[in-house]
Amino acid sequence: GQSLEQPSEVTAVEGAIVQINCTYQTSGFYGLSWYQQHDGGAPTFLSYNALDGLEETGRFSSFLSRSDSYGYLLLQELQMKDSASYFCAVAMNSGGYQKVTFGTGTKLQVIP
Amino acid sequence: DVKVTQSSRYLVKRTGEKVFLECVQDMDHENMFWYRQDPGLGLRLIYFSYDVKMKEKGDIPEGYSVSREKKERFSLILESASTNQTSMYLCASSSPQGLINGYTFGSGTRLTVV
Repeated sequence: GQSLEQPSEVTAVEGAIVQINCTYQTSGFYGLSWYQQHDGGAPTFLSYNALDGLEETGRFSSFLSRSDSYGYLLLQELQMKDSASYFCAVAMNSGGYQKVTFGTGTKLQVIP
Repeated sequence: DVKVTQSSRYLVKRTGEKVFLECVQDMDHENMFWYRQDPGLGLRLIYFSYDVKMKEKGDIPEGYSVSREKKERFSLILESASTNQTSMYLCASSSPQGLINGYTFGSGTRLTVV
């Protein structure tokens, strides 16, 4: 089977930097994705890491270490609109098919 | 703009009813997925399809079936609804490069079974 662990809640101050960690256990690993979901909204895709290292997209960066089965999402210059839930998701080979399994999500609250 | 449309935003059904949740995408995507989202459990994969007429079980298929007769439409069927199927249901689609480009989700159907 597979498992993912991420913190359930994180609080950070507007303008600051926050890191949301994700550890996983799975076989047939392809890569790690991150999604954002505002309350009442649909999840939206943020990033995908297949290789070790840091990928930067504007204020958001995502990191992967395959050897440590670990990744994180880094949000810089936090804004109030970044208050949302963030899900890590592992992509894996399952029975010859690509399958994406989501974590339970981290609720980020940005405070003034 | 890429769009995944779920037919109902809110739905209330009685125990034992047969329930159809419809999902349509306008992106010509090959891949389509049904997830359910429950507090503290994240998103769990029910079924997926990588082609018309093709379907594969996800992690929690029990009590559900699916239909994909056309590329753009993927239906989730609750054969006999039960109260433990009360949940938010999310449909998603992707191209074959879905890992790199990500999934596009619909706004969800909040189903209540009474």
